[in-house]
Amino acid sequence: AQKVTQAQTEISVVEKEDVTLDCVYETRDTTYYLFWYKQPPSGELVFLIRRNSFDEQNEISGRYSWNFQKSTSSFNFTITASQVVDSAVYFCALITGSARQLTFGSGTQLTVLP
Amino acid sequence: ETGVTQTPRHLVMGMTNKKSLKCEQHLGHNAMYWYKQSAKKPLELMFVYSLEERVENNSVPSRFSPECPNSSHLFLHLHTLQPEDSALYLCASSQTYNEQFFGPGTRLTVL
Repeated sequence: AQKVTQAQTEISVVEKEDVTLDCVYETRDTTYYLFWYKQPPSGELVFLIRRNSFDEQNEISGRYSWNFQKSTSSFNFTITASQVVDSAVYFCALITGSARQLTFGSGTQLTVLP
Repeated sequence: ETGVTQTPRHLVMGMTNKKSLKCEQHLGHNAMYWYKQSAKKPLELMFVYSLEERVENNSVPSRFSPECPNSSHLFLHLHTLQPEDSALYLCASSQTYNEQFFGPGTRLTVL
């Protein structure tokens, strides 16, 4: 069975602070993909990144960075110099070859205060 | 239109009404999905269609009836809903095993 845990239900930071959103996953498959999505108040889920299980290289995209560690089954997401527009619910998700479907975490509500 | 579109964006219906939600994807994907998102609850996968065939039905009540007439269109037919069915209904599409792209959702209120 697949499982994704986002232990942080809500996080509040002040603008320009860095913030890390945690994601821990469980799967017995050796081939899998991990994702992060952003859901702003408008409701639409916006795809941010996909990472496959064979590529542990960390990735940076502007103020966003992702730290994938197979040893701890974690795929954490850091926003540097947060902005008010980063306020949203962020979901981590997992798909494996045997499951065929995305398994979502419960999401982390990030609020960035001005 | 680009990406995944959903209509209507908002819907209010009585428990005896029949309505349909529409989803259209312009990405050339081969799989489409319906999700339900209730307040304070995780995303719930309802149905999965792959190459126009339903491949998953996650114990969804029969008052929700999906239809996939072709690879670009997905409908969710609603009848005799309950107030607890009020939620955001999201449609998504993907190429198998790849990232899913979501529509803006339909905010449904059942009175």
